Amino acid sequence: QKEVEQNSGPLSVPEGAIASLNCTYSDRGSQSFFWYRQYSGKSPELIMSIYSNGDKEDGRFTAQLNKASQYVSLLIRDSQPSDSATYLCAVGTDSNYQLIWGAGTKLIIKP
Amino acid sequence: EAGVTQFPSHSVIEKGQTVTLRCDPISGHDNLYWYRRVMGKEIKFLLHFVKESKQDESGMPNNRFLAERTGGTYSTLKVQPAELEDSGVYFCASSQGLLGGELFFGEGSRLTVL
Repeated sequence: QKEVEQNSGPLSVPEGAIASLNCTYSDRGSQSFFWYRQYSGKSPELIMSIYSNGDKEDGRFTAQLNKASQYVSLLIRDSQPSDSATYLCAVGTDSNYQLIWGAGTKLIIKP
Repeated sequence: EAGVTQFPSHSVIEKGQTVTLRCDPISGHDNLYWYRRVMGKEIKFLLHFVKESKQDESGMPNNRFLAERTGGTYSTLKVQPAELEDSGVYFCASSQGLLGGELFFGEGSRLTVL
């Protein structure tokens, strides 16, 4: 069974520090990787996608992918209280459009 | 541009009753997905439409769930008869083109079966 694993947290990070969120996946055939942010009671919102090994940067966010280790991470630099949310890792394969989701990591940024 | 809209936002029904959830995707998005999140669990895929056709319905739990997308616009998800374990948040998402994972989600419909 295909699985995506995340630490549920909460992960508490002081404001201005780097928040590091991690995700591992079981299916070696996975081709696409996504980080979604979900505020309490709201819908998931895509913040990063990554498709090849290495780093991808977008503003304060950096996604890192290591397919050999089956590991994807999200770094948030200069963390702000508004970054407090649950971060969901989702993984897809080329064979279909299904995404396999992790249960999410709750991130708390303390002022 | 209007986002993905879902109705109702919350529905409370008794076991054995029927509920129909509606999703209006972003205009022009051919791909429409239904997902479900049961409390404390991860989001689970239910099915995927491309226009009016069911591309993949492998995530549908059983034949009590019926999804339609007539005309390739809005979609409905009917649960009949509802069971206690059907409680959760039902998310609809849409996407454009071939990037299946870059989804725009609706706010979700919370279903409570008593």
